Amino acid sequence: DIQMTQSPSTLSASVGDRVTITCRASQSISSWLAWYQQKPGKAPKLLIYKASSLESGVPSRFSGSGSGTEFTLTISSLQPDDFATYYCQQYNSYPSAFGQGTKVEIK
Amino acid sequence: QVQLVQSGAEVKKPGASVKVSCKASGYTFTSYYMHWVRQAPGQGLEWMGIINPSGGSTSYAQKFQGRVTMTRDTSTSTVYMELSSLRSEDTAVYYCARNSGSYLSWCDYWGQGTLVTVSS
Repeated sequence: DIQMTQSPSTLSASVGDRVTITCRASQSISSWLAWYQQKPGKAPKLLIYKASSLESGVPSRFSGSGSGTEFTLTISSLQPDDFATYYCQQYNSYPSAFGQGTKVEIK
Repeated sequence: QVQLVQSGAEVKKPGASVKVSCKASGYTFTSYYMHWVRQAPGQGLEWMGIINPSGGSTSYAQKFQGRVTMTRDTSTSTVYMELSSLRSEDTAVYYCARNSGSYLSWCDYWGQGTLVTVSS
């Protein structure tokens, strides 16, 4: 099974900061990776699919990159609404798997 | 618009079973696979399995093999996830999430979640 590892687990940042979250796969998953944002008490929300494709309606400050085993989610200028937990998910093969999450906190 | 509406919260005793439903609307039910994902309190997302609403075929995470059963009712556009032999570690919010396209794909729409509490 493919394992997904995110770093860091927690990130403290200020409004306006550029933020980068890393996700690593235990084996190559090509570009079959998605990113989600989750706020407390809510279901996850899709941000990015196919590693770098922005879901409709998602602000352009969010971007994704990478292929193979290493991927990044970047928020170019952190906004108050962006404080949340972010998860990556591989869908190269089943069983699918999520990273353990990265919580973005206010500094 | 696509909507996934899940059944309400459940409280179960250890050893019991729970069956959570997810009613889909706003799209052709049989054209999109459905995932089930759970989240224990304060923890991350855990993928449980996937069902093809068209033929009913399933694929489960090894961890849940033998305890989980995913089914569907095409007449009501509803998928079900039943988990048996419940233990305290199964206390979690259970989500259904629509597979966006082909068999291997991302989750584009999510249900609101169903809290299952396992307690004696």
